[in-house]
Amino acid sequence: NAGVTQTPKFRILKIGQSMTLQCAQDMNHNYMYWYRQDPGMGLKLIYYSVGAGITDKGEVPNGYNVSRSTTEDFPLRLELAAPSQTSVYFCASSSLGVSGNTIYFGEGSWLTVV
Amino acid sequence: GQQLNQSPQSMFIQEGEDVSMNCTSSSIFNTWLWYKQDPGEGPVLLIALYKAGELTSNGRLTAQFGITRKDSFLNISASIPSDVGIYFCAGLGNTGTASKLTFGTGTRLQVTL
Repeated sequence: NAGVTQTPKFRILKIGQSMTLQCAQDMNHNYMYWYRQDPGMGLKLIYYSVGAGITDKGEVPNGYNVSRSTTEDFPLRLELAAPSQTSVYFCASSSLGVSGNTIYFGEGSWLTVV
Repeated sequence: GQQLNQSPQSMFIQEGEDVSMNCTSSSIFNTWLWYKQDPGEGPVLLIALYKAGELTSNGRLTAQFGITRKDSFLNISASIPSDVGIYFCAGLGNTGTASKLTFGTGTRLQVTL
């Protein structure tokens, strides 16, 4: 029952450093997403992918990059970390099956940029 | 972008009481989803609604897709301590792709004994 798995759970970065948040799903879902959640706010879409080799920008893509080389994996990269990127990051996936576009989330990655 | 107004922002209730929260939008949605987020965890899907007027239950939870397709509500009956958390509504727009899922800002629920 792994579902959507994110790593790391917690990370502290210095301004200007780079890092990659890993995300993997074992449900054979075509769609995968990265959201960020700022304190007291809802989730905002950073990037999404409709299948291996296809990615597109969401609502707040600046400062991030993604790739989708396999159906299972969808890593999110921060190239030059900034304090504004301090947030909780959620990876998610969904299928276009009978249940429609319901989305399943990972447990989150807490990122602090200092 | 589309805006979802979720209310109330927070609620403090006693165990056993019923709870009601709602979301309204300036735009029409094709799907409404309700999620619960526990501290330190990701959102977990509670109920999905796909048709205007649809009323769906999941245990003590009941949600409805508004007739105008611009609103939805979630009711929790006979609340218990484990209902504590943040409840999010999310709406899927006319594009039919989950990339256009819009989230509300959440309702924080506290249950006292």
